[in-house]
Amino acid sequence: QKEVEQDPGPLSVPEGAIVSLNCTYSNSAFQYFMWYRQYSRKGPELLMYTYSSGNKEDGRFTAQVDKSSKYISLFIRDSQPSDSATYLCAMSNTNAGKSTFGDGTTLTVKP
Amino acid sequence: DAGVIQSPRHEVTEMGQEVTLRCKPISGHDYLFWYRQTMMRGLELLIYFNNNVPIDDSGMPEDRFSAKMPNASFSTLKIQPSEPRDSAVYFCASSSGGLTSDTQYFGPGTRLTVL
Repeated sequence: QKEVEQDPGPLSVPEGAIVSLNCTYSNSAFQYFMWYRQYSRKGPELLMYTYSSGNKEDGRFTAQVDKSSKYISLFIRDSQPSDSATYLCAMSNTNAGKSTFGDGTTLTVKP
Repeated sequence: DAGVIQSPRHEVTEMGQEVTLRCKPISGHDYLFWYRQTMMRGLELLIYFNNNVPIDDSGMPEDRFSAKMPNASFSTLKIQPSEPRDSAVYFCASSSGGLTSDTQYFGPGTRLTVL
């Protein structure tokens, strides 16, 4: 079993929909939780990060961490075609430490 | 700033050959990371440097892989000898504040094919 499991997708939604992307993990030592967005044939870009449990909001994006359930989510409100990309979750147990990545969920937002 | 620069963008080589991938981080960034991405294994952190010093190389798959950072503006990832299973996209990333800093930037990647 992998340390980080991500909903495999692909996911296809109409423009304006609310999108929920999810990962579960097994290592209770993880403290830092990240979401990356990767457009086709591009490098990943760090979208959001959260330390420990709780929520973090940035515009249309909300990252949520539930350490008791070992479950993290990324919500995208009012999704746009430009949000179409692969989203990767990543986790680490130390700042500036080795991260473990999920396999990614590919999202398509249709106009 | 031009962002993280990687070269070559594409590399096709034959099994057994030496491959050298190059990276120029963003000026002023003191962390540099090397990642590998494949369909089978996803995105893996291979090694990272802080102030040109390797901090964690536990992700390097085996002794055929080596990485160096001789100065703040240049790093190499070398595979010798290369094998078909090394075929992947290799990303370099740099940041000014560690792995979870929101200033981490990835390069465009080098797509390596080993025949």
